Amino acid sequence: QKEVEQNSGPLSVPEGAIASLNCTYSDRGSQSFFWYRQYSGKSPELIMFIYSNGDKEDGRFTAQLNKASQYVSLLIRDSQPSDSATYLCAVRSGGGADGLTFGKGTHLIIQP
Amino acid sequence: NAGVTQTPKFQVLKTGQSMTLQCAQDMNHNSMYWYRQDPGMGLRLIYYSASEGTTDKGEVPNGYNVSRLNKREFSLRLESAAPSQTSVYFCASSGHLQETQYFGPGTRLLVL
Repeated sequence: QKEVEQNSGPLSVPEGAIASLNCTYSDRGSQSFFWYRQYSGKSPELIMFIYSNGDKEDGRFTAQLNKASQYVSLLIRDSQPSDSATYLCAVRSGGGADGLTFGKGTHLIIQP
Repeated sequence: NAGVTQTPKFQVLKTGQSMTLQCAQDMNHNSMYWYRQDPGMGLRLIYYSASEGTTDKGEVPNGYNVSRLNKREFSLRLESAAPSQTSVYFCASSGHLQETQYFGPGTRLLVL
């Protein structure tokens, strides 16, 4: 059974600070890692994907991957109230013969 | 470019009734997916279609059937709805199995 674990939160962060979201996964053969943002009552929207160990930056967002530790994280710099949402970590295993395995999500609250 | 569209947006069924959820994408994607999202359970894969003409079971396929009608359309059918199928259903598509998935707006289903 492939598992993706996230702290459900809520994670409360002051406006302007760095929000750090974490995710661990059980399948060591996993190859692709995705972060989705989901506002209440809306569908998931892609923020970032990462395939290789290390950091990947896109604007205020940085994804970090450590395959040896089976750990992926998302950093949000200069957090804004509009970043308040649930963040879903998703993992695709090697072989790609199925869809994504999602974590249950972390509820992030940015306090003005 | 509408992306991924789903109909209906909301549906109420009585136990034992049947219905079909429709999904269409205009991104010329090969792969399509059906997920359900329940509080505390996250997103779970029901069925997927790697390419036109193929369908495969995901994590929670019992009680559902799917049809990949053509490259654009992928429908999900509940033959005899049960209260346990009350959920939000999301359709998604990707260029290929290994690529980023894009989600539709969702269908909220209530089975009484």
